[in-house]
Amino acid sequence: GDSVTQMEGPVTLSEEAFLTINCTYTATGYPSLFWYVQYPGEGLQLLLKATKADDKGSNKGFEATYRKETTSFHLEKGSVQVSDSAVYFCALSEASGTYKYIFGTGTRLKVLA
Amino acid sequence: GAGVSQSPRYKVAKRGQDVALRCDPISGHVSLFWYQQALGQGPEFLTYFQNEAQLDKSGLPSDRFFAERPEGSVSTLKIQRTQQEDSAVYLCASSIAGTGGQPQHFGDGTRLSIL
Repeated sequence: GDSVTQMEGPVTLSEEAFLTINCTYTATGYPSLFWYVQYPGEGLQLLLKATKADDKGSNKGFEATYRKETTSFHLEKGSVQVSDSAVYFCALSEASGTYKYIFGTGTRLKVLA
Repeated sequence: GAGVSQSPRYKVAKRGQDVALRCDPISGHVSLFWYQQALGQGPEFLTYFQNEAQLDKSGLPSDRFFAERPEGSVSTLKIQRTQQEDSAVYLCASSIAGTGGQPQHFGDGTRLSIL
């Protein structure tokens, strides 16, 4: 079945450092790919998405490119802030059927001032 | 507000009790999903509704779990004879239509603790 693999955390960075969180997937067909963020005490919020190969999703300085050849959707940000501290989830939406999400296990990011 | 609303936010029950968790999706959203999130894990799919029809319940872990959405809006997830392994955060999500590119909008979840 479909699956998502994320790099394990926690990831601890200093403010203004470069961030990469790796995400790879296995899927039948051409899924849509998403990054969600969960701040402490809050629900999942959509960060960005990409629906086809070579699409780049971007939001709030975060970017991720849908790479079909490497089945990857790595999340990047050039300069992180303390306010970016949260748990980040990579997810795919099935290419057909119910379009339910398959999530990775999440990566906790802590940014130090 | 305009988001997905879940209640209660926290629920504590004794083993063996029945619980009911409510989800009020975004108005007009056709698709509704329930997920279960164990501590330190990503959410896992439980069930899916398109309007009032439950089209996929393959993720429900046992026949103690039951979900309904009788009028195609509010949904209730019921767990009968709760067990300790049912302790988790239960997330509800809705999306505007049943297509893969449409993002799901999540509620804040109900944290269920079974004593």
